[in-house]
Order: sequence, then C-alpha cells, then structure tokens
Amino acid sequence: AQSVTQLDSHVSVSEGTPVLLRCNYSSSYSPSLFWYVQHPNKGLQLLLKYTSAATLVKGINGFEAEFKKSETSFHLTKPSAHMSDAAEYFCVVSEGTGGFKTIFGAGTRLFVKA
Amino acid sequence: KAGVTQTPRYLIKTRGQQVTLSCSPISGHRSVSWYQQTPGQGLQFLFEYFSETQRNKGNFPGRFSGRQFSNSRSEMNVSTLELGDSALYLCASSLGAGTVQETQYFGPGTRLLVL
Repeated sequence: AQSVTQLDSHVSVSEGTPVLLRCNYSSSYSPSLFWYVQHPNKGLQLLLKYTSAATLVKGINGFEAEFKKSETSFHLTKPSAHMSDAAEYFCVVSEGTGGFKTIFGAGTRLFVKA
Repeated sequence: KAGVTQTPRYLIKTRGQQVTLSCSPISGHRSVSWYQQTPGQGLQFLFEYFSETQRNKGNFPGRFSGRQFSNSRSEMNVSTLELGDSALYLCASSLGAGTVQETQYFGPGTRLLVL
C-alpha cells in the first residue's frame, strides 16, 4: 500500500534563507511523486512532479526536489525563501493502477519571517 | 484556457439534508477526481470519473456519490448530511490517460458547512 509522510507539520524560515520541506513515501509500484502548494483560500497549484525521467526535478518559483529511492524520500527545497512562499505544501504519491489513486501527505505549513 | 471551475463556492446546509456540488473540468480533460479536505483528516480522495464511469473510489460511505456527464462535467452528491461532512471539497481534472505521470489541475473548491 502507498503512503506519504511529511515529517514536519510546520516550518519557519527567515526571508532569504533556504527552505527544506521533508517527505518520505512508500509504494508497491513505481509511483509518481508531486509537490503542490495551497495558498490561503486558494486551490492547489502544482509545483513540480517526478515521473522517473530525472531524479532532480525543477519546478516553478525556484523550487526543486530530489527523488532518492534508497531513502524513499522526495524532499522539497528552495535556496532563498520569499515572503510569498508562505503557504501549505503537500507531498503527493500516485500509483494510478488502471485509474487514478492519489495519496496526499498531511501538509507542511511554511512560515516566512521578514 | 479556462481553469477548473466549481460551483457553488460556499454552501450552508443542515444535518439530514442532501447537497450537490458541480465541477467543470478544463476543456479537453476527460478525468475528474473529487477530494475532501478537513483540518483533521487532511486531503482524502473520494472518487474519479472518466468517460461517465467511476474508475476509482476512495474509502467513503455510500452517502457520497457522483456522476459524470458526456461533456465531462461532474457532480458530487452527499445525502443525509452529517456535521462531519463540513469540509472543503476539491475537484481536479486531468487528461484521463490513467497513467501515474498525469498531472491533476485543481479547482478553488466548494466550502460546505453543515449545521
């Protein structure tokens, strides 16, 4: 069975410092992995996705994530935080066996201090 | 291209009533998935429709049902509402190939409050 664990429910950083949001997953198949961001009162927006083409995935707004199969991790990073990055971030695993089966992590709320 | 739209955006109902939520996918997308988001349970997959057929289903009681029309628009129905059904209901559309790589595009959600 697939599962996703976001290791931190809250992360606080200062503007201009690096961001690290941690995600571990388990899957019986070769899954796809995604990171989505949700700003207050807005829908979910795709940041990036891993589909086995390359282990380092670059996304929008300077975010990137590295797929590490040996560690079953898919951590999200950004070199320099911006105030507009404050939001909730979701790590997602999809196995899609004949359809669309998607598991969301519990979310990590990112706070960015001025 | 217009994004995923959901109507209504906000809804207040009382226990025991039923409710219907609507989702219009991005043009050309044939798959529509529904999710429930609550502070306690997070985001949970309800079901996915493709070509007017339910293709996948999450672990929700039979009070939650849905359908998809020939134009790919989808509706979700919840009967005999309970207080615990208060949530943000999100709809997502995708092309529908059914592959793991497919990206879902989310609507803004319908916020349902059950009193």
